[in-house]
Amino acid sequence: TQLLEQSPQFLSIQEGENLTVYCNSSSVFSSLQWYRQEPGEGPVLLVTVVTGGEVKKLKRLTFQFGDARKDSSLHITAAQPGDTGLYLCAGARAGGTSYGKLTFGQGTILTVHP
Amino acid sequence: NAGVTQTPKFQVLKTGQSMTLQCAQDMNHEYMSWYRQDPGMGLRLIHYSVGAGITDQGEVPNGYNVSRSTTEDFPLRLLSAAPSQTSVYFCASSYRGLAGYEQFFGPGTRLTVL
Repeated sequence: TQLLEQSPQFLSIQEGENLTVYCNSSSVFSSLQWYRQEPGEGPVLLVTVVTGGEVKKLKRLTFQFGDARKDSSLHITAAQPGDTGLYLCAGARAGGTSYGKLTFGQGTILTVHP
Repeated sequence: NAGVTQTPKFQVLKTGQSMTLQCAQDMNHEYMSWYRQDPGMGLRLIHYSVGAGITDQGEVPNGYNVSRSTTEDFPLRLLSAAPSQTSVYFCASSYRGLAGYEQFFGPGTRLTVL
């Protein structure tokens, strides 16, 4: 059973369209991170959200942490071909050990066509 | 800074063979982790370390050993390779920033077990 459910698994859109990726769980997380991964490389951290209801913006990317800290979303405005990649959410469990072990979602493969 | 380095980039093993995947970081991070990435599964934690001499099991530790004799190095040993261990392996180092643990990933090792 996947602790973090990411949807959709695949997303194929045209340049200029908007999109949203969701990351849902029944568990509470002390923080949630979003990563982007390109083929043949390791994931690269985009953002960390820690407060329920928090919204962070990174250029055309908007990240939101749910009020109950169980879910998160990534919204991309006016997608560009350079946004193509695998997007991963990862949560650090609340009440865990001092080291925030991350649980990853399955990932969303985004393809933006010119 | 080289960041997190992993060797080899690619490896093919026969069932029953043993090998060590190397990981090194030059950022003086306390925390290091090993993950495996399989299609549709996201990243799953194998083992992690919170400092030199301290290691612990993650979500999928069976068939793997680790040790942490220095801050910089965190090798992953496959004791007797099995086809189920065919995967892409990522090493990560992390530190606790203001927004929680920020992980930096290496480029990965693609392992095939025949």
